[in-house]
Amino acid sequence: AQSVTQPDIHITVSEGASLELRCNYSYGATPYLFWYVQSPGQGLQLLLKYFSGDTLVQGIKGFEAEFKRSQSSFNLRKPSVHWSDAAEYFCAVGADSSNTGKLIFGQGTTLQVKP
Amino acid sequence: EPEVTQTPSHQVTQMGQEVILRCVPISNHLYFYWYRQILGQKVEFLVSFYNNEISEKSEIFDDQFSVERPDGSNFTLKIRSTKLEDSAMYFCASRYTEPRVSPLHFGNGTRLTVT
Repeated sequence: AQSVTQPDIHITVSEGASLELRCNYSYGATPYLFWYVQSPGQGLQLLLKYFSGDTLVQGIKGFEAEFKRSQSSFNLRKPSVHWSDAAEYFCAVGADSSNTGKLIFGQGTTLQVKP
Repeated sequence: EPEVTQTPSHQVTQMGQEVILRCVPISNHLYFYWYRQILGQKVEFLVSFYNNEISEKSEIFDDQFSVERPDGSNFTLKIRSTKLEDSAMYFCASRYTEPRVSPLHFGNGTRLTVT
């Protein structure tokens, strides 16, 4: 069965520092992968997605993610974090075995930004 | 940009009562979903809906749950007899076409509290 693991439940970085949030997936075929962000009281906003092609994908708000098949990873990065980036981040994989397009989510990483 | 709209934002109900959570997906979208997130846990898939019928449901989606698209715009989730463990944030999502082309768009969620 497909699964997604986000090893870090909580990360704190200083404003202006770089950020990397880890995501590992378990999936038999070529996955399609997503990162979503959830600000307090808000819904899930899509940051970026990977379907195929270039393994480095660019998203909104200056985020990028790199798909590494050999490591079954899809880590999210940002070179310089802003205080407004404090939120919860979810990695998700598309369950291609079901043609309904459902997503399987990781448990999320809460990002705290220190001034 | 078009949005998925959910009402109410917060619903409090007593155990055993029926609740209906309402969603207005993006107007030209064809695939509809409900997810839930129990506090501190993963976002979990509940059900997908396409062409006026359920296309897939999870083990969570038992006989107490039902979905309906009563008209051309609304998509509802009904819980017939709520239990304490149904307390969660419920997210509606929609997409236009196949997942590799059209990622999920989520609403801001309805927080359901069962007392």
